[in-house]
Amino acid sequence: ETGVTQSPTHLIKTRGQQVTLRCSSQSGHNTVSWYQQALGQGPQFIFQYYREEENGRGNFPPRFSGLQFPNYSSELNVNALELDDSALYLCAGLSAGGTGELFFGEGSRLTVL
Amino acid sequence: QKEVEQNSGPLSVPEGAIASLNCTYSDRGSQSFFWYRQYSGKSPELIMFIYSNGDKEDGRFTAQLNKASQYVSLLIRDSQPSDSATYLCAVSPFNKFYFGSGTKLNVKP
Repeated sequence: ETGVTQSPTHLIKTRGQQVTLRCSSQSGHNTVSWYQQALGQGPQFIFQYYREEENGRGNFPPRFSGLQFPNYSSELNVNALELDDSALYLCAGLSAGGTGELFFGEGSRLTVL
Repeated sequence: QKEVEQNSGPLSVPEGAIASLNCTYSDRGSQSFFWYRQYSGKSPELIMFIYSNGDKEDGRFTAQLNKASQYVSLLIRDSQPSDSATYLCAVSPFNKFYFGSGTKLNVKP
């Protein structure tokens, strides 16, 4: 049990639509990051938020955006969905203990038709 | 070139043997190095982290880091069927995390 909860667990969208995925942490991780994991691949870093500000970003286009709220919950928004956006989206809280450990939620599986 | 490269496997070893998993990375600014285990249909969970060159041991697991060669490895001694999973190597330059595509390990009883 990592204490990181994601919703929804599964969803289906059509190409061109927009989606919002949500993440909350019982442990109040002040740093949260989001990942896209396609089938058979490793997680790909999308971005990281610290105290409501984006402070790290991977190679994803601007249509991937995020928010972090004062209670450290977070959202990932994806606009103009494409078929290749179909993947498992993982949220992770960063350990406050300085080890760099990521605590992952169970993920949101997005299917784009 | 990908930031983190791993052999996708599958790597098959008999129960009780040593499993050796390898990883190379491209960003010389990477400061922290991790091995995560991911069971099918589950999220990744941390096995080991290592920051300094050399070996780090934790139970049946040993992580090895060679920054000059940009190489990280994980040894699993006395492999068990429950170790069968995908092992993800991850490196962290400042404020980013890069994962490899993972090596699938099968431990045969």
